[in-house]
Amino acid sequence: QVHLVESGGGVVQPGGSLRLSCAASGFSFRTYGMHWVRQAPGKGLEWVAFIRYDGNELYCADSVKDRFTISRDNSQNTLYLQLHNLRPEDTAVYYCAKDSPGSGFAYWGQGTLVTVSS
Amino acid sequence: IVMTQSPATLSVFPGEGATLSCRASQSVSSNLAWYQQTPGQAPRLLIYGASTRALGIPARFSGSGSGTEFTLIISNLQSEDFAVYYCQQYNDWPPTYTFGQGTKLEIK
Repeated sequence: QVHLVESGGGVVQPGGSLRLSCAASGFSFRTYGMHWVRQAPGKGLEWVAFIRYDGNELYCADSVKDRFTISRDNSQNTLYLQLHNLRPEDTAVYYCAKDSPGSGFAYWGQGTLVTVSS
Repeated sequence: IVMTQSPATLSVFPGEGATLSCRASQSVSSNLAWYQQTPGQAPRLLIYGASTRALGIPARFSGSGSGTEFTLIISNLQSEDFAVYYCQQYNDWPPTYTFGQGTKLEIK
């Protein structure tokens, strides 16, 4: 079955950087687009970024554009999110999710917490 | 596209039904999904294409609507249904996959 496991979260100072990973298994990773979605403590869901199955199309939310970069390694079945110039408002649980065109996000990881604080 | 859910909180007795609403600021056709989230858990896909139940979702969950107005109806509420519900559009390009702010369904 589909399994997504995020890692790489932690506490980082404002202005710092972090790289999140999402290890995928149970499906043909190289044939599906992937997303990152975040949720600040006690708040709602916010879509962050999408990458096409082959990595040749990338889209990011305006709130993170120029600071966050989504990427993938299909040989390692792994999705990444590089976070730069972090701000306190980036504090959130970051989820990876598998794309199913036209069908919503059916599979999610358990999330990894990023805390931006001095 | 802005997604607006109502009400923010809904209090219902177990066994009763609940109606949750989601409005889009412009048409999203039928490209709308509903998710359920319980505390400490990842969201769970309930409905996609505005009205198609996801795999394993009980028939007491039903979605309807198109364009800008959408409804999620949950009948015969069970204890495990008390959670936060989000709608999400996936219609625009470039994509923004906007979520609504959520409706908290609580036990009355």
